[in-house]
Amino acid sequence: AQSVTQPDIHITVSEGASLELRCNYSYGATPYLFWYVQSPGQGLQLLLKYFSGDTLVQGIKGFEAEFKRSQSSFNLRKPSVHWSDAAEYFCAVGNQAGTALIFGKGTTLSVSS
Amino acid sequence: DAGVIQSPRHEVTEMGQEVTLRCKPISGHDYLFWYRQTMMRGLELLIYFNNNVPIDDSGMPEDRFSAKMPNASFSTLKIQPSEPRDSAVYFCASLGVRNTEAFFGQGTRLTVV
Repeated sequence: AQSVTQPDIHITVSEGASLELRCNYSYGATPYLFWYVQSPGQGLQLLLKYFSGDTLVQGIKGFEAEFKRSQSSFNLRKPSVHWSDAAEYFCAVGNQAGTALIFGKGTTLSVSS
Repeated sequence: DAGVIQSPRHEVTEMGQEVTLRCKPISGHDYLFWYRQTMMRGLELLIYFNNNVPIDDSGMPEDRFSAKMPNASFSTLKIQPSEPRDSAVYFCASLGVRNTEAFFGQGTRLTVV
């Protein structure tokens, strides 16, 4: 079955500290992987995506993610978190067209000062 | 472009009433998606259209839910009759065939009392 697992429901990180959000997927075909961010009361904004090529993907707002096929993972990282990064983060897997995305349950990030 | 526009932003209705949610996708986009977001189930894909034709409606929970896309610039999601368990945030997203990113609207928060 196709699924996305985000093991951490809620993470708190100090401002300036590094961040890693975990994502594991199960997908029958070649996975196309995405990370979205959702601020309160807002829609989802794409942070980055992986389709092929370099397994380390750079996104907006200083985020990056690494695709590890052997571990079926696509973890999101940021070297130094800012208070404005507090939001909910969703990992998703989809097909070639980027359609029919399957989302994880999300990880809520809190940033402490 | 103003992005994906959803209306209303908030809807409160009584159980048994008909509810219609509206979505205007980004001009030129070929795909339109309806998602439902709840605390318990996260983001679920309900249905998606390609060139105004429903492609996959397997996520539609019950016959009480129906979606239409009469033209390329408008889609509706209807719930009739509504029930309290339908309370959720409903998102619409659109995707262009040459894009790899789905753009989300800000969502409609539905409360059924």
